[in-house]
Amino acid sequence: DAGVIQSPRHEVTEMGQEVTLRCKPISGHDYLFWYRQTMMRGLELLIYFNNNVPIDDSGMPEDRFSAKMPNASFSTLKIQPSEPRDSAVYFCASTANPAYEQYFGPGTRLTVT
Amino acid sequence: DQQVKQNSPSLSVQEGRISILNCDYTNSMFDYFLWYKKYPAEGPTFLISISSIKDKNEDGRFTVFLNKSAKHLSLHIVPSQPGDSAVYFCAARGLSGSARQLTFGSGTQLTVLP
Repeated sequence: DAGVIQSPRHEVTEMGQEVTLRCKPISGHDYLFWYRQTMMRGLELLIYFNNNVPIDDSGMPEDRFSAKMPNASFSTLKIQPSEPRDSAVYFCASTANPAYEQYFGPGTRLTVT
Repeated sequence: DQQVKQNSPSLSVQEGRISILNCDYTNSMFDYFLWYKKYPAEGPTFLISISSIKDKNEDGRFTVFLNKSAKHLSLHIVPSQPGDSAVYFCAARGLSGSARQLTFGSGTQLTVLP
């Protein structure tokens, strides 16, 4: 398996623009997680899905952020409108068993100018 | 309110010596702890874990110790190698409520000097 795939790897955009980050989880994994990594706050969980259904989105910072999982092999995290403080590395992770480890993608480095 | 804290943002160790990375937590409901390693431009990868019913788990050069009374865990790497240079995150998982969430610390950058 190729592991968790994220695209794009890097995104540079101007404040106010819409940004869409994409994730393909490992096949067979029913749980998908979106995280954000910043210097100040480390790795924060934004939202997670089980069987394509959002279970906990309490980590989503505000209404500008939204996430969808239309099918078992694809998820998106959208920021609209983007702001400079959204600049961070966004990771997607998946697992078949939430009792144990999660498998992370390589991340998307987002820069909002 | 950070429930998982890694108070040392960085650590430098000489090759061959022991590296000790520390992590403190505040939530007594956490029952499972994990360490992840992260290289630049890559996602975190799972390294080792420990259940709260144990106080030690060993895997090759890596040993994790858990002190529940102190709400403290540590990762020991012996002997340290230059390839161990990375950011290390500790994470904790709870039993109920948001049981399927991992709460991560802010990470410690380990540099192993040749």
